[in-house]
Amino acid sequence: GQNIDQPTEMTATEGAIVQINCTYQTSGFNGLFWYQQHAGEAPTFLSYNVLDGLEEKGRFSSFLSRSKGYSYLLLKELQMKDSASYLCAVMDSNYQLIWGAGTKLIIKP
Amino acid sequence: DVKVTQSSRYLVKRTGEKVFLECVQDMDHENMFWYRQDPGLGLRLIYFSYDVKMKEKGDIPEGYSVSREKKERFSLILESASTNQTSMYLCASSPSGVSGANVLTFGAGSRLTVL
Repeated sequence: GQNIDQPTEMTATEGAIVQINCTYQTSGFNGLFWYQQHAGEAPTFLSYNVLDGLEEKGRFSSFLSRSKGYSYLLLKELQMKDSASYLCAVMDSNYQLIWGAGTKLIIKP
Repeated sequence: DVKVTQSSRYLVKRTGEKVFLECVQDMDHENMFWYRQDPGLGLRLIYFSYDVKMKEKGDIPEGYSVSREKKERFSLILESASTNQTSMYLCASSPSGVSGANVLTFGAGSRLTVL
């Protein structure tokens, strides 16, 4: 079956760096997405990786290794507003998205 | 500001009632989706549509139907609500074509409680 694994919850300190991991086993691969979802709000797009390597976008970076079925989202200079759930999703060979359960990130002052 | 708007943020219904969840997008997107989001689970696809009057079953279509009479509107229908359909329902849209890079724009969600 198809599976996306990510930690349920993580805690980090304001100003620090945190890495949220995502491992996947899917039927084919057509890209990996990260979305951010604040409590009670819509998920919003953060990043898309289809080739191996690191994509940097401001304080957020996303890394992909297709051979290892692994991605991470790196958040630098954490701010209180970064407290949210982070959703990892993989697009399979049928261009269907398979979603992880999300990682709830708690930022402490 | 582009938007996906879901008509109801919170609904409380009784078992057996018919429930309509409406979703409207103003981005002229071809693709529209209905997901449900439950604690501890990833988003699960109920139905999707790549064009007006077109619909495809997702992973969990049982107990649901959809309607897409206009490009901008995609409705989710629960013919006879049951308690196991208590959930957060998310509507999303994306540009046309089947592409790995198609980014979803989500609505804020409709939290349905079935008593």
